Amino acid sequence: GENVEQHPSTLSVQEGDSAVIKCTYSDSASNYFPWYKQELGKGPQLIIDIRSNVGEKKDQRIAVTLNKTAKHFSLHITETQPEDSAVYFCAASNGENYGQNFVFGPGTRLSVLP
Amino acid sequence: ETGVTQTPRHLVMGMTNKKSLKCEQHLGHNAMYWYKQSAKKPLELMFVYSLEERVENNSVPSRFSPECPNSSHLFLHLHTLQPEDSALYLCASSQDQGGYEQYFGPGTRLTVT
Repeated sequence: GENVEQHPSTLSVQEGDSAVIKCTYSDSASNYFPWYKQELGKGPQLIIDIRSNVGEKKDQRIAVTLNKTAKHFSLHITETQPEDSAVYFCAASNGENYGQNFVFGPGTRLSVLP
Repeated sequence: ETGVTQTPRHLVMGMTNKKSLKCEQHLGHNAMYWYKQSAKKPLELMFVYSLEERVENNSVPSRFSPECPNSSHLFLHLHTLQPEDSALYLCASSQDQGGYEQYFGPGTRLTVT
């Protein structure tokens, strides 16, 4: 089955700097790669996702890049703000089995220091 | 607000109790999911319902029993739980039956004493 690794496990950046979180996956059949943000006391919030037919997607200060050959994808946050502090999860799925193949990474705790 | 609500938000129960968690989605989605989130572990998918039909997940102990009476509501019935079942239980829904674009509720923090 699919295995998703995520690095780093913790990340501290100064406000205004960029943050990059990287995930690798094992199943070459995976075709959907979302990123979730989870703040304290809340459920994970879908912030951006990418399908396997594109290499990059941007939404304001957030971007995701995908390298299918190397089986890795990354979340890029530019001009970080204190409200970006949260735990970020990546995931990978091949869309089969009614979502049972949806596998999450272990998470990255991002701290944005003012 | 994601359009997925969960009640209660916090629950403390003894090992011999029976309780139920409730999830409701207001997004018109066709699939609903239960996840378990434990400290220092990735989110674990427990159950999937697609068009109100349950997709089996054999790795979940029988002390957890899901129910999906319609496409908007999902329950997780709990009985004779163990302390290691203490965790955050998250409900999610998606329009796509392949699990794409899942939207999560805020979760129920469960403590088993």
